[in-house]
Amino acid sequence: EIVLTQSPGTLSLSPGERATLSCRASQSVSSSYLAWYQQKPGQAPRLLIYGASSRATGIPDRFSGSGSGTDFTLTISRLEPEDFAVYYCQQYGSSPQGTFGQGTKVEIK
Amino acid sequence: QVQLVQSGAEVKKPGASVKVSCKASGYTFTSYDINWVRQATGQGLEWMGWMNPNSGNTGYAQKFQGRVTMTRNTSISTAYMELSSLRSEDTAVYYCARGYIREPFDYWGQGTLVTVSS
Repeated sequence: EIVLTQSPGTLSLSPGERATLSCRASQSVSSSYLAWYQQKPGQAPRLLIYGASSRATGIPDRFSGSGSGTDFTLTISRLEPEDFAVYYCQQYGSSPQGTFGQGTKVEIK
Repeated sequence: QVQLVQSGAEVKKPGASVKVSCKASGYTFTSYDINWVRQATGQGLEWMGWMNPNSGNTGYAQKFQGRVTMTRNTSISTAYMELSSLRSEDTAVYYCARGYIREPFDYWGQGTLVTVSS
């Protein structure tokens, strides 16, 4: 079973700054079947990135994903007030197919 | 537009079972899997399993094997997740989410709070 480890646990930044979130897998994620989700308090998660680097429908281009194999990154180029939330990575290429990382909280500094 | 609408909050006693529903609209129900994910208060996302509405085939996370059952009623485009032998640690928000083999979860239900308390 693939284990996903996200870092840091919490990222304290100001609006306008760049955020870099990491997701490391315990073994290679096949064909970059790696997704990122954003979750705000009281809401369901929202798909941001799939296939490691493809933006989901309607996601602003300040969100970008990169990486392959075991190391993946979500970058938010310039934080907007609505971007402060918790972010989860997920691998969906190997069984069990829905494994999530433990999350990174992006908070206002 | 694609929507997944879940049933309302539940309060159950330890040892009981709960059945949560997820009604799909805006797409062909049998063309995508339904996954179930739960989240305890202040905690992360925990995948529970998947069901293919066309075949009825299921796959469950090892942690929930023997306690969870995922079913569907295709005539009303609704998926169900039943969790038995409830304990306090099962208190969480339960989400359904649309997905498929090697596809991410692109649409989610609004969540159903299940509280297990004596």
